[in-house]
Amino acid sequence: QKEVEQNSGPLSVPEGAIASLNCTYSDRGSQSFFWYRQYSGKSPELIMSIYSNGDKEDGRFTAQLNKASQYVSLLIRDSQPSDSATYLCAVNAQGTGYALNFGKGTSLLVTP
Amino acid sequence: KAGVTQTPRYLIKTRGQQVTLSCSPISGHRSVSWYQQTPGQGLQFLFEYFSETQRNKGNFPGRFSGRQFSNSRSEMNVSTLELGDSALYLCASSLTGMGETQYFGPGTRLLVL
Repeated sequence: QKEVEQNSGPLSVPEGAIASLNCTYSDRGSQSFFWYRQYSGKSPELIMSIYSNGDKEDGRFTAQLNKASQYVSLLIRDSQPSDSATYLCAVNAQGTGYALNFGKGTSLLVTP
Repeated sequence: KAGVTQTPRYLIKTRGQQVTLSCSPISGHRSVSWYQQTPGQGLQFLFEYFSETQRNKGNFPGRFSGRQFSNSRSEMNVSTLELGDSALYLCASSLTGMGETQYFGPGTRLLVL
C-alpha cells in the first residue's frame, strides 16, 4: 500500500498568521494532488488541486508541489478561526486506477 | 449546479443485517467512487463505477458491493454487517474518474449495533 503521510497535529496558529501543512507520498507515479478540508461531522470539501511542480495560489491558499522530493504542502495566509478543521492530503495515480489515497489528516486550530 | 447527494444520512443496523446506500452524482459526472471513513483507518477507497461498470476496487471483503445505473446514480450494499462496519460512507463523483477532482457528498453515517 502506497503511503501518504501527514503530521496529525494539532497545529495551533494565532489568527492572522500563516498555517503551513505538509504531506509526503511514497508512490512516484502519483499524478494528481488534492487538499480537502473536513469539519467535524462533515464530508471533505476541496480546497486545492495541483498537478505540476511549483506553486498554485487561490485566494488565501497556496499549494506547493515538489515531485522530486515527493512533497506537497498547503499554506493558509491570514488564518481565520473558521479555518479550524482537519486538512486531508490526497493523491492519485493511473497505476492505481485514480483512486484517491488519503493521508490521515492534520488538525488545524486557529486561535482568536 | 446541485452537488452530490447521498441517502439516507444516518442508519442504525444490527449485526448480520444488510444495508443499501444510495448516491446521486453531480449532473454530467459519470464516475462515482465510494470511500469508507473510520477514526482508526481514515478514508479508504472501496470501489469506483463508470458507465455502469466497476472499474476499480479497493481492498475490502466481498460483503461490500455496488452498482451503477444508466443515469450514473450508484448504490453500495453491505451484507452480513459487522460491528467494524460502523463508519461514515462517502460517495464522490467526477467527470471521468481519470484523475480530475472528485467531489464528495455529505455521507451516510452507519452505526452497527
